[in-house]
Amino acid sequence: GNSVTQMEGPVTLSEEAFLTINCTYTATGYPSLFWYVQYPGEGLQLLLKATKADDKGSNKGFEATYRKETTSFHLEKGSVQVSDSAVYFCALSNTGRRALTFGSGTRLQVQP
Amino acid sequence: NAGVTQTPKFQVLKTGQSMTLQCAQDMNHEYMSWYRQDPGMGLRLIHYSVGAGITDQGEVPNGYNVSRSTTEDFPLRLLSAAPSQTSVYFCASRHQERNTEAFFGQGTRLTVV
Repeated sequence: GNSVTQMEGPVTLSEEAFLTINCTYTATGYPSLFWYVQYPGEGLQLLLKATKADDKGSNKGFEATYRKETTSFHLEKGSVQVSDSAVYFCALSNTGRRALTFGSGTRLQVQP
Repeated sequence: NAGVTQTPKFQVLKTGQSMTLQCAQDMNHEYMSWYRQDPGMGLRLIHYSVGAGITDQGEVPNGYNVSRSTTEDFPLRLLSAAPSQTSVYFCASRHQERNTEAFFGQGTRLTVV
C-alpha cells in the first residue's frame, strides 16, 4: 500500500538558516506528491506539489523535487524566517485512491 | 468562496454522548474525507466519500459514522463518544480529477471527558 515517511522533529533552526525536511514514499504507479503546512491553530494549507517525476514544486521560497529513483520529495528553503515556524506534512495521492496519504508531520521552530 | 467549512471549532463531550461534526464545501468537489490528527501520528483517514450516496471506510473508522446525501455536505457522527476519540478532526475535499490536491477545513478540536 501507500505510505509516507518524514524525518522526526522538532527541527530547530536560527533565522536565515538552510532548511531540509526529508520525505520518502512507498507507492505503486505514479503518485502525485504534496507538501502541506499547518500554522498553529489552523488547518492544513497546500504549500507546493509535483505531479510527475523530476517536477519541481515551489512556493514562498520553498522547493521540493520529485525523485522517482530515490522515491523522495525533500522540502528545502534557503533562508528560513520566524514566520515559517509551523508543522509540515508530506503527502501523496495515487491513481484510484480517493484520499491523500500523509506522513506524521515535522515541526519546524525558527528562532530569531 | 468559502472553501471547506467545519463546525464547531471546539467541543467538549462526556463519555457516551453523541454528536455530529459538520462539514460543507462549496467547490463542487466529488471527493470528501475525514481525518483525525493526533500528536506524532500525522493525519489518519477515518471515512471518505466519492460522491453523494457513496461512502467507504478509511484506516480508523471504528466509532464513527458518515453519510453523504448531497455533494456539499459530509457530516461525521460519533454515536457514543470515548476518551480515545479526543483529537483534532479535519474535513477535506478534492476534485475528482486525477491526483489533485485536497482542501482542508479549519478543524474541530474535540475533547471527550
